[in-house]
Amino acid sequence: AQKVTQAQTEISVVEKEDVTLDCVYETRDTTYYLFWYKQPPSGELVFLIRRNSFDEQNEISGRYSWNFQKSTSSFNFTITASQVVDSAVYFCALSEAGGYQKVTFGTGTKLQVIP
Amino acid sequence: KAGVTQTPRYLIKTRGQQVTLSCSPISGHRSVSWYQQTPGQGLQFLFEYFSETQRNKGNFPGRFSGRQFSNSRSEMNVSTLELGDSALYLCASSPLNLAGVADTQYFGPGTRLTVL
Repeated sequence: AQKVTQAQTEISVVEKEDVTLDCVYETRDTTYYLFWYKQPPSGELVFLIRRNSFDEQNEISGRYSWNFQKSTSSFNFTITASQVVDSAVYFCALSEAGGYQKVTFGTGTKLQVIP
Repeated sequence: KAGVTQTPRYLIKTRGQQVTLSCSPISGHRSVSWYQQTPGQGLQFLFEYFSETQRNKGNFPGRFSGRQFSNSRSEMNVSTLELGDSALYLCASSPLNLAGVADTQYFGPGTRLTVL
């Protein structure tokens, strides 16, 4: 069975600080996808990134960066120079790559950025 | 392109009633998935439809059902509502990738269901 663990329930940082959100996953599949989604107070899940299990390259997108380490089954997300608009719940998710969309989500990390 | 739309956005029902929620996917997306989000259980997968066929189902009782129409729009139905069914119900649509399999899911704003 697939499992995603986000051990950090809530994190508070002061604006402009860097923050890393941890994600550890379990799967028996050799091919899978990992995702990060952001859920602002409005409720809509906003897609941030998808990573294929064969692609371990780290990725940077503006202030966001992701560190995928297959050896430790981790897919961590770092926000550099955090801003108040980053305040949201962030979900890490895992899906099999077989084409059937059964996505397993972590429990989410609530990030509060204090001005 | 317009995003995933869900109607209604808010709904209040009483125990024992039934409810139907609607989801219109992004144009061209043929895969539609449904999730239930509650504070206690988090985000849980309900089911996924593709070309009017349910391909995958989560661990929910038979009171939860769904369907997909030929235009890819989807509905989910919950019969004999219970207090525990109060939740945010999220719909997500996916395009097919070059390999012909469903790709990244894009979510709608959700329907907030309250059961009294």
